[in-house]
Amino acid sequence: GDSVTQMEGPVTLSEEAFLTINCTYTATGYPSLFWYVQYPGEGLQLLLKATKADDKGSNKGFEATYRKETTSFHLEKGSVQVSDSAVYFCALSDRSDSSYKLIFGSGTRLLVRP
Amino acid sequence: SAVISQKPSRDICQRGTSLTIQCQVDSQVTMMFWYRQQPGQSLTLIATANQGSEATYESGFVIDKFPISRPNLTFSTLTVSNMSPEDSSIYLCSVGSPGGAEAFFGQGTRLTVV
Repeated sequence: GDSVTQMEGPVTLSEEAFLTINCTYTATGYPSLFWYVQYPGEGLQLLLKATKADDKGSNKGFEATYRKETTSFHLEKGSVQVSDSAVYFCALSDRSDSSYKLIFGSGTRLLVRP
Repeated sequence: SAVISQKPSRDICQRGTSLTIQCQVDSQVTMMFWYRQQPGQSLTLIATANQGSEATYESGFVIDKFPISRPNLTFSTLTVSNMSPEDSSIYLCSVGSPGGAEAFFGQGTRLTVV
């Protein structure tokens, strides 16, 4: 079945450091790919998305490119801030089965220190 | 986008009792989903709530334990029945957009069973 694999955390960085959180996926169809963020004590928010190969999603300085050849959707940010401390979830939605449900990775906790 | 309201936001319940969680959406949606997020874990889909028919449950989840209602296109409830401490989790309601382009989440219900 479909699955998402994320790098394990926690990831601890100093402010203004470069961030990469790896995400790879397995899907039988042509999935849409997402990054969701969960700030402490809050619900899940969509950070960015990409719906087809080579699309780049971006938001709040974060970027991720849909790489079909490597089945990856790595999250990057050039300069992290303390306020970026949160748990980040990679997810896919396999539209081919018409269910539109999401399959999540295990989540990666990011801690940014001043 | 869709605005999703969940009630209650949190509760502490005695084992053996049941809790019903409500999910209200500000627009009519076809697909509604219920997820569970166990402590420190990722999100796992419990079921898809279908309007006018029984919910569709994922492997490992059964109707007797998690009965779901979907009386109309803007509302759904999830009941956690005969609770045990293992049911302590965050339960999230989600709605999807056609084509799986995006999913929106409620703030979640943090359940603690003692």
